[in-house]
Amino acid sequence: EDKVVQSPLSLVVHEGDTVTLNCSYEVTNFRSLLWYKQEKKAPTFLFMLTSSGIEKKSGRLSSILDKKELSSILNITATQTGDSAIYLCAVGPGGGATNKLIFGTGTLLAVQP
Amino acid sequence: DGGITQSPKYLFRKEGQNVTLSCEQNLNHDAMYWYRQDPGQGLRLIYYSQIVNDFQKGDIAEGYSVSREKKESFPLTVTSAQKNPTAFYLCASKSGGDSTDTQYFGPGTRLTVL
Repeated sequence: EDKVVQSPLSLVVHEGDTVTLNCSYEVTNFRSLLWYKQEKKAPTFLFMLTSSGIEKKSGRLSSILDKKELSSILNITATQTGDSAIYLCAVGPGGGATNKLIFGTGTLLAVQP
Repeated sequence: DGGITQSPKYLFRKEGQNVTLSCEQNLNHDAMYWYRQDPGQGLRLIYYSQIVNDFQKGDIAEGYSVSREKKESFPLTVTSAQKNPTAFYLCASKSGGDSTDTQYFGPGTRLTVL
């Protein structure tokens, strides 16, 4: 059965700290790993990592895919209170279909002033 | 502005009633998805549609139904057969085919059964 596991489940840090969120996966035919940020409503897309693009960076956020270890990390440096959110990891394709994503349960990050 | 809209934002339902959640997109995306989000359980796929007039069950389809009569629209009906419908419902869409896995989400509908 395809699955995606995120850790930790929740995390509390202070502004300025650096955090690392983890995502590990088991899927039959891996094609991509995606990170989303969910504040109150819609998850917003952060990064997509594939075999041809294993490292992405945008401002203070960066992500690396380790295909050997079947995992990915999302790093956030110099955290701000606006980084407080649920961070979702998803892997595709999943469940034997070519257009499905398998989501992890998410990591709840709280950044305190 | 291109995007995905969901309505209503909040919905209250009495037990035994069917309700329909709306999802519309103007991104010209072929594929659309419905997810349910409960605390501590991430996103679980209810139904998805890769093309007009076709849809497939996801992992938790029991008690739900959908239709895809137009490319832009993918409404979800929560029937009285759904035993625990109180949840946050998210609709998503993406371009067709295997060129990308990136799904884009609507703002969600929070359904509460009274």
